[in-house]
Amino acid sequence: GIQVEQSPPDLILQEGANSTLRCNFSDSVNNLQWFHQNPWGQLINLFYIPSGTKQNGRLSATTVATERYSLLYISSSQTTDSGVYFCAVGRPFGNEKLTFGTGTRLTIIP
Amino acid sequence: EAGVTQFPSHSVIEKGQTVTLRCDPISGHDNLYWYRRVMGKEIKFLLHFVKESKQDESGMPNNRFLAERTGGTYSTLKVQPAELEDSGVYFCASSQGARSSYEQYFGPGTRLTVT
Repeated sequence: GIQVEQSPPDLILQEGANSTLRCNFSDSVNNLQWFHQNPWGQLINLFYIPSGTKQNGRLSATTVATERYSLLYISSSQTTDSGVYFCAVGRPFGNEKLTFGTGTRLTIIP
Repeated sequence: EAGVTQFPSHSVIEKGQTVTLRCDPISGHDNLYWYRRVMGKEIKFLLHFVKESKQDESGMPNNRFLAERTGGTYSTLKVQPAELEDSGVYFCASSQGARSSYEQYFGPGTRLTVT
């Protein structure tokens, strides 16, 4: 099956700093989504971005499908940004499930 | 428009007991998925419904798990009997279409704690 790797696994930053999270995948995809799992365990949809660039407030994402990676940018980090960030991909053939990466744990220190 | 909702938000049960989780998808979404994250690991697919039919249940861990979607609306996931390793967060998602290219909208999850 497809492999999805995220880096870095852990990231600790001071409030106000910027960060870049990376998601690499091993095969072609037709779906890529970014999620934030907050400290209460809830999964928050961030972006649906199989290709191109999107922005939503302090967050933006870019997917370069031909090179099999996606980046999530967080600017001016706030403590509420803490949690685990997951990317998930869908394949163009076969079943319809999403395959998740191992996640990046982000901790924002006040 | 309401998003995907899940109930309960948190459930604490003893080993050997039964728990039933519920998911209400976005109205009009025929496709419903169950995923879970256990032991701090990555989120894993459990199964996929198209309307009331199970399209893919390859991720169901064993026969202690039973998923239903009667009438093609809400879905339930029953764990009977629950084991310690079932603790984790169970997520439900829905999408408008059946292809993997369709965005899946996730609910907030149900945190299950088995003691």
